[in-house]
Amino acid sequence: DSGVTQTPKHLITATGQRVTLRCSPRSGDLSVYWYQQSLDQGLQFLIQYYNGEERAKGNILERFSAQQFPDLHSELNLSSLELGDSALYFCASSVVSGGGSTDTQYFGPGTRLTVL
Amino acid sequence: KNQVEQSPQSLIILEGKNCTLQCNYTVSPFSNLRWYKQDTGRGPVSLTIMTFSENTKSNGRYTATLDADTKQSSLHITASQLSDSASYICVVRVSGTYKYIFGTGTRLKVLA
Repeated sequence: DSGVTQTPKHLITATGQRVTLRCSPRSGDLSVYWYQQSLDQGLQFLIQYYNGEERAKGNILERFSAQQFPDLHSELNLSSLELGDSALYFCASSVVSGGGSTDTQYFGPGTRLTVL
Repeated sequence: KNQVEQSPQSLIILEGKNCTLQCNYTVSPFSNLRWYKQDTGRGPVSLTIMTFSENTKSNGRYTATLDADTKQSSLHITASQLSDSASYICVVRVSGTYKYIFGTGTRLKVLA
């Protein structure tokens, strides 16, 4: 158990809908990262927040957005869902900002999203 | 183009045997390289993290090496166990950014 929690575990929805994935980082961790893992593309970095502020963006679509709240939990919002958005979405957390440092990222168990 | 390539794509070995997984990258500038172990359907778990100046780092039966000149890394697993069956993912971070480039992984299966 990494100490990172994600809800829900599974989510099934229809195309065009909007969903929200939630992540609670490990106690004391200030950084939260979101990743997408699909069968054909492997793991992809989406976005990072540090202490409530957006720190970095990866391959995140404009239909997707995220935020980190004062209690440090984070939410990933996916809208206008398409079939291709079906994937495992992982959240990870680390203590520091992840600048040039070799901070360890601890991954949650993931949310499996199925878009029908 | 920043890329991370891993080989082999998949590997089957007998329990107790050693194996080596390869990671070649074209990421520049380089910040650090990480190896993760990912069991099916679960989140990745960090094995090692190496910076430019580190040549080798161990974590139990896992030993990672890094050659920054040739831009190659390897993960050596000693005395494999059934629980080593998983995907192993190499990740390189681009220096000066928060961008991570992921390899597609090597799927290892250890047989009894």
